[in-house]
Amino acid sequence: EVQLVESGGGLVKPGGSLRLSCAASGFTFSSYSMNWVRQAPGKGLEWVSSISSSSSYIYYADSVKGRFTISRDNAKNSLYLQMNSLRAEDTAVYYCARGTGGLDVWGKGTTVTVSS
Amino acid sequence: DIQMTQSPSSLSASVGDRVTITCQASQDISNYLNWYQQKPGKAPKLLIYDASNLETGVPSRFSGSGSGTDFTFTISSLQPEDIATYYCQQYDNLPGTFGQGTKLEIK
Repeated sequence: EVQLVESGGGLVKPGGSLRLSCAASGFTFSSYSMNWVRQAPGKGLEWVSSISSSSSYIYYADSVKGRFTISRDNAKNSLYLQMNSLRAEDTAVYYCARGTGGLDVWGKGTTVTVSS
Repeated sequence: DIQMTQSPSSLSASVGDRVTITCQASQDISNYLNWYQQKPGKAPKLLIYDASNLETGVPSRFSGSGSGTDFTFTISSLQPEDIATYYCQQYDNLPGTFGQGTKLEIK
């Protein structure tokens, strides 16, 4: 079964850091671009970051540029999001999703809450 | 960044109705446009990719059209299980951007 499972979310104070992970299974992870998409409580979807299959191309939304770092380990079938200098407005459910254009496989998400 | 303007923001329709949602891009995005369905508490699900292609396993009552800056998503005959929020998303420029969503309710 094709599956993505996120972990690493939690409660963190403003200015703090978190590292999210996404474990992939059921497909050839190294062949696909991967993405992080977030959804603040009661709000719409926001595409956060993308990384190509070999990590050659990386993109960030302006809202996280300079604070978040996307990476992947194809040997471990894993995607990561290092989040630093967290702000209240980063509070959201973070999804990892597979794809370059259409995001055809999604995880169930992990919740990040930034609050003092 | 490319802005995606989706309308309406909410919609109430009856079972069996034809439902149409529009999405307008702030610049030409060719056909780099996808449509997603999100039910409460669930992850989004890809329905339509590249403006008009139906994702495998998605019922044929869902369809998409358009190119350039103007796009349309249609449900030909609304079913109770179609109650959800629908989003368009462009990927002409990465990271892509989503429309603000259309919440669909049963009348």
